[in-house]
Order: sequence, then C-alpha cells, then structure tokens
Amino acid sequence: GAVVSQHPSWVICKSGTSVKIECRSLDFQATTMFWYRQFPKQSLMLMATSNEGSKATYEQGVEKDKFLINHASLTLSTLTVTSAHPEDSSFYICSARVVQGASSSNEQFFGPGTRLTVL
Amino acid sequence: GESVGLHLPTLSVQEGDNSIINCAYSNSASDYFIWYKQESGKGPQFIIDIRSNMDKRQGQRVTVLLNKTVKHLSLQIAATQPGDSAVYFCAELYNTDKLIFGTGTRLQVFP
Repeated sequence: GAVVSQHPSWVICKSGTSVKIECRSLDFQATTMFWYRQFPKQSLMLMATSNEGSKATYEQGVEKDKFLINHASLTLSTLTVTSAHPEDSSFYICSARVVQGASSSNEQFFGPGTRLTVL
Repeated sequence: GESVGLHLPTLSVQEGDNSIINCAYSNSASDYFIWYKQESGKGPQFIIDIRSNMDKRQGQRVTVLLNKTVKHLSLQIAATQPGDSAVYFCAELYNTDKLIFGTGTRLQVFP
C-alpha cells in the first residue's frame, strides 16, 4: 500500500512553454502533498505544501506564479511549471501524507519523480 | 535557518562489511528523524525512522542511532550488499510539518 505515482516520468520541452506534472496517491487519501525539486547531485528542496481544497503554501524563494499547484482532490495534486526556462530543468518529486482517521500521520510517501529538461 | 547536514559525501565499502552513514542536525526541537535511500533517477525510499524519545532503533540489517546531546544521527547497514549502493539522506521533521533533508551521502559497494 501507500503508493504514489507521478506522470510523466520525464518530459522535454522548449523554453517558454508550460509543463504540467501530476502526482497521485493510488491506494490512499492524502490531504497534504508536498512538491520537491532536486538538482543533480544535490538534496531535495521543498518547494511547496499542497493542501486539498486550499491554496498551496510556498517556501521562501519559490515563485508561486511560476510554479502553479492545484490539489483538487484527495488523490491528485498537479504542479505546472509556467514559461519554463533551462534553469528550471530539474528532478521534481512529490510526496503524499496519509490521512489516518481524524488526524494525519507524519509519514510521507514519495513518488518516483519527474525529470524535466527545458531546451 | 535550520539545516541538516552530513559529514561524508561519499562512502566506499566492501561487500559484506558494515556501513555507517552520519548526519548532524541543528534543530534541537526536532522530534522525528528519517533515513531515506535514493537510487539514481528514482524517488526517496523510506528506510527507517526514529523519534527523539529513543536513542536506537533496529530494522532489517539497518540500525539508526540518535544522540540528542550532540545532535547526531547515524545509519548503520550490516553486511552491506551491492544493492545498497545509492545516495542516503537523513531528514528532520521541522515544525511537525516539513521534512528538511540533509545533503546526502553516496554509498558505493565494491566486490
């Protein structure tokens, strides 16, 4: 159980275009999903926290107008990179936190990541 | 800001030997720590966790040690296998909500 998927697994796009990445919790409900970015040979950096039915909370230095996050259901969050540029090329990883009864567990389950390459 | 860091960027061990990966954290208020394994091109995979009211926790071939006095965390892997080759991250749960990842250690296992 507790499987998180991402789609696509990799994408190549031209500079200036927008790219949408989906994150789905396949066998559980997640009120909270997290989006991370990872550059080569670096650690995961939290970009934003996505709560179902409300606006995402962005980390300092992350442009909310460039990285649009939508969390429309308990099993799906999307990240749209708008007007992508080569410096946005990175590995984008989502995670989902399990809902357990009236409160949420702290445990996060990670997706397999999406490799974005902007030409 | 708060940060979680690692001492060794790369660790090379011989197959069958034990591996020890270290991590220093700076937020003394953190009460939950996790070790993740990440293989190339994949997302992090949970290995083991520990809460601050414990100083040791064991799993299958892995042990996590927590020293709150010096804010140090370590991951011990017994009888390291080629399949253990990956990058290992410690993570700290910050403010009961956010995971703050360390810089990572690459474990290389050679025959």
